[in-house]
Amino acid sequence: EDQVTQSPEALRLQEGESSSLNCSYTVSGLRGLFWYRQDPGKGPEFLFTLYSAGEEKEKERLKATLTKKESFLHITAPKPEDSATYLCAALGSGNTGKLIFGQGTTLQVKP
Amino acid sequence: NAGVTQTPKFRILKIGQSMTLQCTQDMNHNYMYWYRQDPGMGLKLIYYSVGAGITDKGEVPNGYNVSRSTTEDFPLRLELAAPSQTSVYFCASSYLTGGNTIYFGEGSWLTVV
Repeated sequence: EDQVTQSPEALRLQEGESSSLNCSYTVSGLRGLFWYRQDPGKGPEFLFTLYSAGEEKEKERLKATLTKKESFLHITAPKPEDSATYLCAALGSGNTGKLIFGQGTTLQVKP
Repeated sequence: NAGVTQTPKFRILKIGQSMTLQCTQDMNHNYMYWYRQDPGMGLKLIYYSVGAGITDKGEVPNGYNVSRSTTEDFPLRLELAAPSQTSVYFCASSYLTGGNTIYFGEGSWLTVV
């Protein structure tokens, strides 16, 4: 069965303290691994797409990487405005566009 | 550009009542989805549609129904509400089947008491 697991569930960082969020996946025929940011009371907002092992994408203080079993979201020198829940999702084989989501990591960055 | 619009934002239902969550998108997207999000559980797909007149079940369809009579609208019907349906519901749409083109609404908070 296709599955996506994120860790940790919650992460507290001091401003400027770099860290990484993990997304482990078991998906047959992976067609894409996606990262989203979700602010309280809002819907998820797209951040990155990764398609193949070894691929990396960057946006400001965030960098997403992909291996054959995991994806990492690295946060460098975070700021309080980076506080949010980060979701990863995998798109498996098939043509329905059904995403399998992890449970999310809630990040809190304290000033 | 409104994107994906969901109504209502908040609703309290009594056990056994029925209601419809409305979803409309103005991006001319073919694909539309309904997800539910429970605390610590991620998003689970309830139903999806690949175009007007075509719908299919997702991971957790029991207790729900959908219809897609137009490209823009994808309402979700809850029949005989149960406490287990207390959740946050997100409607989404996409132009292609990739997760990088999916746009989410702001969510509908439903409590069944």
